[in-house]
Amino acid sequence: NAGVTQTPKFQVLKTGQSMTLQCAQDMNHEYMSWYRQDPGMGLRLIHYSVGAGITDQGEVPNGYNVSRSTTEDFPLRLLSAAPSQTSVYFCATRQGNSPLHFGNGTRLTVT
Amino acid sequence: QQQVKQSPQSLIVQKGGISIINCAYENTAFDYFPWYQQFPGKGPALLIAIRPDVSEKKEGRFTISFNKSAKQFSLHIMDSQPGDSATYFCAASKYGGATNKLIFGTGTLLAVQP
Repeated sequence: NAGVTQTPKFQVLKTGQSMTLQCAQDMNHEYMSWYRQDPGMGLRLIHYSVGAGITDQGEVPNGYNVSRSTTEDFPLRLLSAAPSQTSVYFCATRQGNSPLHFGNGTRLTVT
Repeated sequence: QQQVKQSPQSLIVQKGGISIINCAYENTAFDYFPWYQQFPGKGPALLIAIRPDVSEKKEGRFTISFNKSAKQFSLHIMDSQPGDSATYFCAASKYGGATNKLIFGTGTLLAVQP
């Protein structure tokens, strides 16, 4: 039982490049979400999904796209990376009223 | 808009001492208040949570105190150990419902010195 798997663990991008951060879960959780963690800012919600085909914006959605074609996967896309998107990104899932369950994060640096 | 304010930003405690981290929230609709613990290189993990029907919840050495009228809640770590050294996040949300979003505080870096 892997839980929440995030890939890659580390990534360096140049400004303007695009990439997709992957999140996969094997717990059959309906709710999936993406947070970014920055020093002094805590964890801020980017996008979330309550089920396949349903997504919505969180606190800081600008510059990010998401889609949810299956229950298991919730990729986060950066279409044109900016230095302000340098951060650690966490995928988190839950089922019903269960606590949020986090992956181990992707550390992204944009130069 | 920061809806959950957390303090202090960092905390150094001697082994065996008491660690106290405080949080305040603004949205009176919030009725679920968890604390998460994060070790370096890992994602946050739920430590303990409280609902407003009680003013205190204890699990082992960890206690949440909740003051509804002041819109504040705090984490107390008794007999702090070096293994407790981590970053702690408070959070708040409405309980239940598929779309309820968890809002986090800014985090407290705790170092417990041996």
